[in-house]
Amino acid sequence: EVQLVESGGDLVQPGGSLRLSCAASGFTFSDYWMSWVRQAPGKGLEWVANVEQGGSVKYYVDSVKGRFTVSRDNAKNSLYLQMNSLRVEDTGMYYCAREARESNGMDVWGQGTTVTVSS
Amino acid sequence: QSVLTQPPSASGTPGQRVTISCSGSSSNIGSRYVYWYQQLPGTAPKLLIYKNNQRPSGVPDRFSGSKSGTSASLAISGLRSEDEADYYCVAWDDSLTGWVFGGGTKLIVL
Repeated sequence: EVQLVESGGDLVQPGGSLRLSCAASGFTFSDYWMSWVRQAPGKGLEWVANVEQGGSVKYYVDSVKGRFTVSRDNAKNSLYLQMNSLRVEDTGMYYCAREARESNGMDVWGQGTTVTVSS
Repeated sequence: QSVLTQPPSASGTPGQRVTISCSGSSSNIGSRYVYWYQQLPGTAPKLLIYKNNQRPSGVPDRFSGSKSGTSASLAISGLRSEDEADYYCVAWDDSLTGWVFGGGTKLIVL
């Protein structure tokens, strides 16, 4: 079964750090771009970052540039999001998603992990 | 303020046809594919439409997508109560070099 499972969400103070993980199974992880998408409580979806198959090419939404780093370990079938200098507005559910080949969209999503930034 | 503009809500009665619009610009919808996602309450998003008008296997043909210029739309025919959800349009933006989402449309089945 194709599956993505996020972990690492927690309550953290403003200015703190957190590392999210996404474990992939059921498919050849190294063949796909991967994305992080977040959703603030009661709000819409916002794409955060993505990374290409080899881990070299990465893109970020402007609001997290310089604070968040996306990475992957293909040997461990895992995607990561290192979040530094966290702000209250970073609070929300964080999903990892697989970007299907041939521009077929984000076709597999995890169940999400919750990040709460509060003092 | 989202880069792609959607109406915040839409509604219809069972059996009706409803459309949800998505407006963008030349750097996203105008030059790239549009995708639609459905998010049922308390669940992760689900891919509904890819490459403007293609349905993944398992998505009923009641759902259809179209694109014209810098706008796109999602149509749902034969509306059912289980279609009540939030719907998001998405496109890659060449100027921002990233995926951009619409603000989402809450569909209410009356």
